Amino acid sequence: NAGVTQTPKFQVLKTGQSMTLQCAQDMNHNSMYWYRQDPGMGLRLIYYSASEGTTDKGEVPNGYNVSRLNKREFSLRLESAAPSQTSVYFCASSVRNTGELFFGEGSRLTVL
Amino acid sequence: EDKVVQSPLSLVVHEGDTVTLNCSYEVTNFRSLLWYKQEKKAPTFLFMLTSSGIEKKSGRLSSILDKKELFSILNITATQTGDSAVYLCAVEENTGNQFYFGTGTSLTVIP
Repeated sequence: NAGVTQTPKFQVLKTGQSMTLQCAQDMNHNSMYWYRQDPGMGLRLIYYSASEGTTDKGEVPNGYNVSRLNKREFSLRLESAAPSQTSVYFCASSVRNTGELFFGEGSRLTVL
Repeated sequence: EDKVVQSPLSLVVHEGDTVTLNCSYEVTNFRSLLWYKQEKKAPTFLFMLTSSGIEKKSGRLSSILDKKELFSILNITATQTGDSAVYLCAVEENTGNQFYFGTGTSLTVIP
């Protein structure tokens, strides 16, 4: 029962470097999401994908890009990392219209 | 702007106490309200509420929704140290594509 798998779990970047966070789910869910979690800010939606081939911006999309590669995989890319992107990133998935989100274990990113 | 507000921000209680966590929301196209528990890592699902006045219960945890007053409460009775966590409230909007989260309530249960 893998559920939602994210990689890497930890990453340290220098300002201006790029990286991609990978996410895969094996529950045949239609919808996938990327959130960031910062102290005192709760979980904020970066991007989501309601189905394969579609992506939409959430609350805080600036500085990020996403790709819904297929039904299983949804990646998040930082093209030019900034210290403000230091955060814990969570990928999640859901069956559409059921309300329950399943989360990955999180990826802790530090940008120096 | 849609928002979800939780209170209190943090809470410290002794084992055996009963606690009530609050969640109020202003979301235009409400579909459901969800509660999650977050310990060290990923949030885990507790309850989903869609109808007013119907209590959801799981062991010592229970929750209820008031759609007229736009709030929900999460009750935990006879608290244990294992209940120590951040409790997150989220509201799903009608399209099913967006979930708005509150900042969470940090609960610490002292032995």
